[in-house]
Amino acid sequence: LAKTTQPISMDSYEGQEVNITCSHNNIATNDYITWYQQFPSQGPRFIIQGYKTKVTNEVASLFIPADRKSSTLSLPRVSLSDTAVYYCPFSGSGGYQKVTFGIGTKLQVIP
Amino acid sequence: EPEVTQTPSHQVTQMGQEVILRCVPISNHLYFYWYRQILGQKVEFLVSFYNNEISEKSEIFDDQFSVERPDGSNFTLKIRSTKLEDSAMYFCASLGDTYEQYFGPGTRLTVT
Repeated sequence: LAKTTQPISMDSYEGQEVNITCSHNNIATNDYITWYQQFPSQGPRFIIQGYKTKVTNEVASLFIPADRKSSTLSLPRVSLSDTAVYYCPFSGSGGYQKVTFGIGTKLQVIP
Repeated sequence: EPEVTQTPSHQVTQMGQEVILRCVPISNHLYFYWYRQILGQKVEFLVSFYNNEISEKSEIFDDQFSVERPDGSNFTLKIRSTKLEDSAMYFCASLGDTYEQYFGPGTRLTVT
């Protein structure tokens, strides 16, 4: 059963760069790698998606090595408002498949 | 920026009652989903919907659940006879052009 693995929790001080790594050993050739963010009592929010190498948007960067068996979400200069749970869920091939969420990484930003 | 909306934000119902949770997906999206999240637990997939029929459903989505797209904008989840264990946040999502899912703010269902 394909799944992803990521740390359960991380702490960081405000202003620091945070890197959260996810392993997805069984990723299929057609699968994209997608990260979501969830604040308490809110729905997950799409952050970034990539297939290989590096992708950057206004929120984060995503680094994907050549073998695609892992990915690293990088949040530059985090603030208290970045405290949330971050997921690298398994989506399955086809793009329209269900998203299978794990427990995610709970990031706590400390003042 | 277009967004998925859900109503109501909070629904309290008694065990055995029927509830309908409503969602308005982003207008040009074609795939729709319902998920739920019991307090303190993972977000769990319930059902996906495309072209007016269910594409996939989970074990949670038993005969007590149904989905419908009654018109061109709404997407509903009905629970026929609610149980205490149905208490959860229910999230609707729709699929964007590059296969990212856009989630609504959720409906908190409390079954007493």
